[in-house]
Amino acid sequence: ETGVTQTPRHLVMGMTNKKSLKCEQHLGHNAMYWYKQSAKKPLELMFVYNFKEQTENNSVPSRFSPECPNSSHLFLHLHTLQPEDSALYLCASSQEGSRQSYEQYFGPGTRLTVT
Amino acid sequence: AQTVTQSQPEMSVQEAETVTLSCTYDTSENNYYLFWYKQPPSRQMILVIRQEAYKQQNATENRFSVNFQKAAKSFSLKISDSQLGDTAMYFCALGGGADGLTFGKGTHLIIQP
Repeated sequence: ETGVTQTPRHLVMGMTNKKSLKCEQHLGHNAMYWYKQSAKKPLELMFVYNFKEQTENNSVPSRFSPECPNSSHLFLHLHTLQPEDSALYLCASSQEGSRQSYEQYFGPGTRLTVT
Repeated sequence: AQTVTQSQPEMSVQEAETVTLSCTYDTSENNYYLFWYKQPPSRQMILVIRQEAYKQQNATENRFSVNFQKAAKSFSLKISDSQLGDTAMYFCALGGGADGLTFGKGTHLIIQP
């Protein structure tokens, strides 16, 4: 595997379900991100993990819960979602310096549909 | 706070034409990077081109080039000899802090045969 991978690629879940999205990066980066991409809207940054510590939350609802067990893996745990949470969820990674933000490498995304 | 503005929601050109996508930004950082990303329909987002703010020379990658005007905080992308495979969403992004990138809303570029 190379680059950034995400599983599953598609997910349909009911509002009472609990599911998890997985992201893995094979680039040796030290920062990982979750974004939400909805139709006609800009990418919304949800969570940032830099050196495995969460550094950005952006007021994401608590029904989204991130987990970063190591610098290569990132999870997004989902529970009691709403239909408006249906979107493409993108994972990205980058090599962060102390003062600069370098380019991010994206996974293919998970297309989530909440019914 | 950093902002990125893409004022063209959608553009359409004929194959082989040259097209320019606009992007303006605002940041209080002195050193920063600017990027253009491409997201083809139902495909992965990929980096097209990158510009370091302290470099005056405009970045070029094959048919893709940028016009970086630092004083005006403008960063446009020019695609020469456009191809059908260039059809995609294009996002302008700014990196200058420790919390990742700030993205614009995107421009949907359609290349007509």
